[in-house]
Formats: sequence, structure tokens, C-alpha cells
Amino acid sequence: QKEVEQNSGPLSVPEGAIASLNCTYSDRGSQSFFWYRQYSGKSPELIMFIYSNGDKEDGRFTAQLNKASQYVSLLIRDSQPSDSATYLCAVNIGTGRRALTFGSGTRLQVQP
Amino acid sequence: GAGVSQSPRYKVAKRGQDVALRCDPISGHVSLFWYQQALGQGPEFLTYFQNEAQLDKSGLPSDRFFAERPEGSVSTLKIQRTQQEDSAVYLCASSLDDQPQHFGDGTRLSIL
Repeated sequence: QKEVEQNSGPLSVPEGAIASLNCTYSDRGSQSFFWYRQYSGKSPELIMFIYSNGDKEDGRFTAQLNKASQYVSLLIRDSQPSDSATYLCAVNIGTGRRALTFGSGTRLQVQP
Repeated sequence: GAGVSQSPRYKVAKRGQDVALRCDPISGHVSLFWYQQALGQGPEFLTYFQNEAQLDKSGLPSDRFFAERPEGSVSTLKIQRTQQEDSAVYLCASSLDDQPQHFGDGTRLSIL
């Protein structure tokens, strides 16, 4: 079992719809969770981070964390073609570790 | 403000050659990380510095990989006797202590 798992996609949604991206992780003790967006040929760009159970909203983005289920998700409302990218889930695995463990990413395609 | 700067952007080397990749973190960021990203995969952790101290090098794949940050600012990742499997994008990230990591544009390394 991978430490951080994501569906590779592609996830295809129409413009204006809600895109839902999911991630599960193996270490029940993990405390910090991050979503990065990566355009083809570019570096990862931080979108959201969440440390506590529940929802965290920032503009069109909402991160949701459920530590009991070891599940973190990213919702993108009013999806735009410019949101088309690979979304990487990252987790600090291991007590006190600063290193991020990434999933393989989910490719999102927003259809105009 | 200036982001994480990496050089060179592209590096082509023959198998067996040594290479050196440079990372200049965001000013004031005490934490610096190196990751390796293969095509279609998420970044994989290599090593972590806090100021000049290398606190975690558990991700370095072999003793051919060496990283340093002698004055707690610029860091260099050196790969000796390169092999084809070293071909990847090498990403550097920096952060304020305990804050989310911000990535540079990466160095794309190709070993012929």
C-alpha cells in the first residue's frame, strides 16, 4: 500500500461544475496535509493546506480533512479551463518529519 | 518577492559524469528541501536542511548523491558518476520553520 494514494484520472468536468479530488494516507499520526497544483512542465504550486479535521475554504477552493478515515479532499467550485492541471496531495508522514510524501497526482481536465 | 531559484534549468550529461545543481531559497527561509520527480509521478523526498544542518537525508538513493548548504542559504545537490536512472526533474523547496513549502522551477536532468 502506498503511503499517499490518489486516483490518477483524468477527472473530466464541465466548466462551471465542482471538481472533487480525493486522497487517502496510511499514517494515522499524520498532522499536516497539503494540496499542490502542477501544470505540465512547471513546478508544484501550493493551493491549500489543512491541519485540523473539517473544512477550510479559500476562494473557489475547499480542503476537507477526516483524520478518522485518513482521507483528505479538495473541492474546486466553478471550475475553469485554467484549473486543468495535475493536483498533488502531500502529507507529512512520520512524527516530526518535515519531509512531504506525495501522491502520484490526479489529472483534472475542465472542458469549456 | 523573489521565489526559490534553481539553476541550471536544464542539464544534459553523459553517463558517468558528475553534476551539480544549485538552489537559492526564498530570503529568510531556514528550511530547504530537495525532491526528485520522475515523469508522471509525484515528487519524492531526497534531503532536508534547517539552516546549514542536514537533518534528514533518508531519501538520498545512494552514496552518489550528496547535498550541502554550508552557509545556511544556497544549497547544492551533487550527483557523482551519473546513471541513466538519475534522469528526472530535481526540485528544491524552502519554507519558514514549520510552514508550507514553496517550490522552485526545478532542474531537468537528462543523462545520455
